[in-house]
This record gives sequence, structure tokens and C-alpha cells, in this order.
Amino acid sequence: LAKTTQPISMDSYEGQEVNITCSHNNIATNDYITWYQQFPSQGPRFIIQGYKTKVTNEVASLFIPADRKSSTLSLPRVSLSDTAVYYCLVGAYPNDYKLSFGAGTTVTVRA
Amino acid sequence: NAGVTQTPKFRVLKTGQSMTLLCAQDMNHEYMYWYRQDPGMGLRLIHYSVGEGTTAKGEVPDGYNVSRLKKQNFLLGLESAAPSQTSVYFCASRPWDIHNQPQHFGDGTRLSIL
Repeated sequence: LAKTTQPISMDSYEGQEVNITCSHNNIATNDYITWYQQFPSQGPRFIIQGYKTKVTNEVASLFIPADRKSSTLSLPRVSLSDTAVYYCLVGAYPNDYKLSFGAGTTVTVRA
Repeated sequence: NAGVTQTPKFRVLKTGQSMTLLCAQDMNHEYMYWYRQDPGMGLRLIHYSVGEGTTAKGEVPDGYNVSRLKKQNFLLGLESAAPSQTSVYFCASRPWDIHNQPQHFGDGTRLSIL
């Protein structure tokens, strides 16, 4: 499975855009890129998933360059409630059960 | 629609005691997982199941056993609890799908071993 590297922490202010980049140099052809969000005392929650180019939903956008060796999660106009840990996972069926949630990126949004 | 429900939510055990954590999902998902999360760390996979009656070891299986007698339930057992097993335990499920459907998580069981 592709190893991922993402920043340990990021600070931001309300109303700003937050971009978290995840590196995955050895991503395989069939691998998808999936991001989860975890609030304190809760289980992780799926945010967005993509394979290539750009994916957007009501919560975030995911940018994936042509070589797919990295990806960037973009959170537009964050609020205090976006303070959470964000995990980047890379993998594909049938081995996706081996996906590992690393330490993630702790995003702290300040007023 | 409850999703993934974990019971109990909190538990304190003494070293050597045994207990079973229950995970129930009402989404008819084939895959189920048990993770543990220690302070400041990510989730580590303990055991998983790809269907009723089947289980397999994950990254950190020692000291735990699991059973999947019914499709909707996945049980995690500690036969002889140790302080090193103090952690937050999360259960997750997802449907069988070649397009990598995301996992759905419960809200965790906080377990302290004294």
C-alpha cells in the first residue's frame, strides 16, 4: 500500500481557506485517495474521495495532479467547527482493508 | 437509521478481567473492522471481517479475539485485560464494492484497564 505523508498540524483563522497536502509517491494505478475528518470523542467521518483531477462536494475539494503523487484537500472558508484531525488514505480493493490511519493533520481554527 | 452502534461507550476494568465489546450496524455491510486509537495517534487495525463467519488479523491483533456470527454484529473480546490495552476502540463497516466505498465509524468505546 502507498505510504502517505501529511503535515502534523496546521493553524488557520475563521473565514480562511485551508489546504492540506498529502504526499503518496508510490501510489498504484488502481489506488483511490480518501480523506476522513475526526472530531474529538468521535469516530472518523468520510469527507471526500477521488482518483484524478478535481473532486468537489458540499464540504471540500480534492485536487489531484496528473502524476497522482500528491493530493490537496481544500476546506473553503473554515469555521471554528472545522477544528479536527484530517486523515489521508491511499489504497484500493481488494487490499483496502489494510489502509492505515496515520497520525493525520490536526487543523486548529481560531477566531 | 442508526448506522454503526458501539456498546458500551465507557468501561473500566481491572487487570486480568475479560470483556466483550459489541459493534452493530444496520446498513447490511459486508466488511467490518475494529481499530484502537491511543492518545495523539492514528487508528490501528486490530481485526477485520469480510463477511459473516470470517475474520482476519490486522496490524495489532495480539490480546484480542473477534467473532462475526451474524452479518450485522462484530464482537471484540479481551480475554485477560492488560493496562496496555487502555485505549479508545472504534468499529467501522463498509459495503463490499470494488469502487472503494468509504468506511462508516461508530463513536467509540473508551476502555481503561487499571
